[in-house]
Amino acid sequence: QVQLQESGPGLVTPSETLSLTCTVSGGSVSSGAFYWSWIRQPPGKGLEWIGYIYYTGSTDYNPSLKSRVTISADTSKNQFSLKVTSVTAADTALYYCARGRIPRSGWYQPLFDPWGQGTLVTVSS
Amino acid sequence: DIQMTQSPSSLSASVGDRVTITCRASQFINFYLSWYQQRPGRAPKLLIYAASTLQSGVPSRFSGSGSGTDFTLTISSLQPEDFATYFCQQSSSPPYTFGQGTKLEIK
Repeated sequence: QVQLQESGPGLVTPSETLSLTCTVSGGSVSSGAFYWSWIRQPPGKGLEWIGYIYYTGSTDYNPSLKSRVTISADTSKNQFSLKVTSVTAADTALYYCARGRIPRSGWYQPLFDPWGQGTLVTVSS
Repeated sequence: DIQMTQSPSSLSASVGDRVTITCRASQFINFYLSWYQQRPGRAPKLLIYAASTLQSGVPSRFSGSGSGTDFTLTISSLQPEDFATYFCQQSSSPPYTFGQGTKLEIK
């Protein structure tokens, strides 16, 4: 059973870079045609898809964040990571990592299953 | 971007009640709609995909319907563990977007 666990600093200074890591157990980030994804939820607001890294290493990002976001993978550690540059208070959120997958034939874009429990990142000086 | 609008945003109900949550997409998304459950402090959990297909292990009291732009999630007989937040998500085209969530509370 695949499990995901987020880790990283809970407090980031404005204008700095937010860095988070997701450790995957029970599965491999380099196989299986999965989309290793980041999703966030600002306090009191809805969920926002940030982007994914496909098992081949290709990436796709939400256009609203694309200029500031990088997702990468470390296959030797079975982890994938998120970096968001030039953060502001608007980047304060609960950050989730999740596995994106195509559930059956006839689907071309992923749903998200399973998810990690999430990690709260606060941007403040 | 495809906007996903859920209603109601919150709902009070009692154990044993039947409840329905709706999700509307701002454009045609066919059947590329999933429903998730989020309990406080726990990872979101996939309940239904393809608008009406129950994820393995999910109780049969959960059901989904709809296609195109209008979708519903129904819980036929609420159990104590069902009081949580539910949200929909479209997989028609990126960026993948979510409804704002429906918080189901105990009356």
